[in-house]
Amino acid sequence: SQELEQSPQSLIVQEGKNLTINCTSSKTLYGLYWYKQKYGEGLIFLMMLQKGGEEKSHEKITAKLDEKKQQSSLHITASQPSHAGIYLCGADSGGSNYKLTFGKGTLLTVNP
Amino acid sequence: SAVISQKPSRDICQRGTSLTIQCQVDSQVTMMFWYRQQPGQSLTLIATANQGSEATYESGFVIDKFPISRPNLTFSTLTVSNMSPEDSSIYLCSASTGIYGYTFGSGTRLTVV
Repeated sequence: SQELEQSPQSLIVQEGKNLTINCTSSKTLYGLYWYKQKYGEGLIFLMMLQKGGEEKSHEKITAKLDEKKQQSSLHITASQPSHAGIYLCGADSGGSNYKLTFGKGTLLTVNP
Repeated sequence: SAVISQKPSRDICQRGTSLTIQCQVDSQVTMMFWYRQQPGQSLTLIATANQGSEATYESGFVIDKFPISRPNLTFSTLTVSNMSPEDSSIYLCSASTGIYGYTFGSGTRLTVV
């Protein structure tokens, strides 16, 4: 089965600093999804990556999928307290099986 | 993208009782999914629910404990039966929504006492 490893597990940054979260898969990624979760709440969709080398940006968040499609990174520029939360990467296993496997998450704290 | 309304948002239940969680999607979706997120853990898929067929359960989850209904393309329920404190978790429903990937409900925080 597919496994996703996220690093770091937790991250504390000062407001205004840049940061990167990584997600590494044990198998080729067919679809890689980034979500943000506020404590105890549902998941907010951030971005979906499908092609090797693909890069997407939304506001101050950029996500990349490497050429080999086994690793993705999420980069936040000039972090703000509103960026705080748990960031989860999820992957689908391709084909007709649409279920997602998730990493364990990265807890981001942004200090003002 | 689709919006999923999930309720209840939280509940405190006595052990041995059952709780039914509802998810309503604002558009028709083929596949819906139910996840469990235990304290401090990531999401684990419980089952996939397609309209008109029985739910497909993941290893470690059984229908008697987590019966699921999917009466139409916009609605699904998950029941947590005969609850014990170990069932205390956040339960989330999700739907496959095309180019937006997978949309999630806001979650149900369940505490079993």
